[in-house]
Amino acid sequence: GAGVSQSPSNKVTEKGKDVELRCDPISGHTALYWYRQRLGQGLEFLIYFQGNSAPDKSGLPSDRFSAERTGESVSTLTIQRTQQEDSAVYLCASSFYFGTITYNEQFFGPGTRLTVL
Amino acid sequence: EDQVTQSPEALRLQEGESSSLNCSYTVSGLRGLFWYRQDPGKGPEFLFTLYSAGEEKEKERLKATLTKKESFLHITAPKPEDSATYLCAVRGAAQKLVFGQGTRLTINP
Repeated sequence: GAGVSQSPSNKVTEKGKDVELRCDPISGHTALYWYRQRLGQGLEFLIYFQGNSAPDKSGLPSDRFSAERTGESVSTLTIQRTQQEDSAVYLCASSFYFGTITYNEQFFGPGTRLTVL
Repeated sequence: EDQVTQSPEALRLQEGESSSLNCSYTVSGLRGLFWYRQDPGKGPEFLFTLYSAGEEKEKERLKATLTKKESFLHITAPKPEDSATYLCAVRGAAQKLVFGQGTRLTINP
């Protein structure tokens, strides 16, 4: 596609429910990232996928958070048993990877605004 | 641990009034310093990448510069449409970007 797309754009859920957020990266971009942005804050890294390599999960805040990626395309971020502190905008980004080099520029989607009541 | 601090948190300027935004950083093995623009309700939009001290890049009314400890985003003769939050990020040895809190820039007509 022309850009990174994310769905849904907004999600309101009740505390304790599970949610799934979806990201479609730019076609041809094999590196994919998830970030979280709390209100008025900068972006926090969550997880990074590159090809068949083991993902870098070092930013996931708890075991309630998990993510999967299907091949080199769609990724899903799942939050189980949501808590109010999970309320934030979840942003997905992708970048081009060639040979052993991940090109630095990350291109972001519009985000999913999650509200946990 | 890689860290980024941006200042000021917020800046109000009159149209045409030039100024600079600051990004101070500490990183182990800089692999790139990035500037993004973020409009309300949208994802960050890539502006610049800088790799080494002394490097400069320009785009329209914006110019980014880099030293070993900080980067500046200079805005010359800004217009109201330049109003946005400007984010600075660094990449060290890991693939992730470490972001600052951003500077919220408002340009009054």
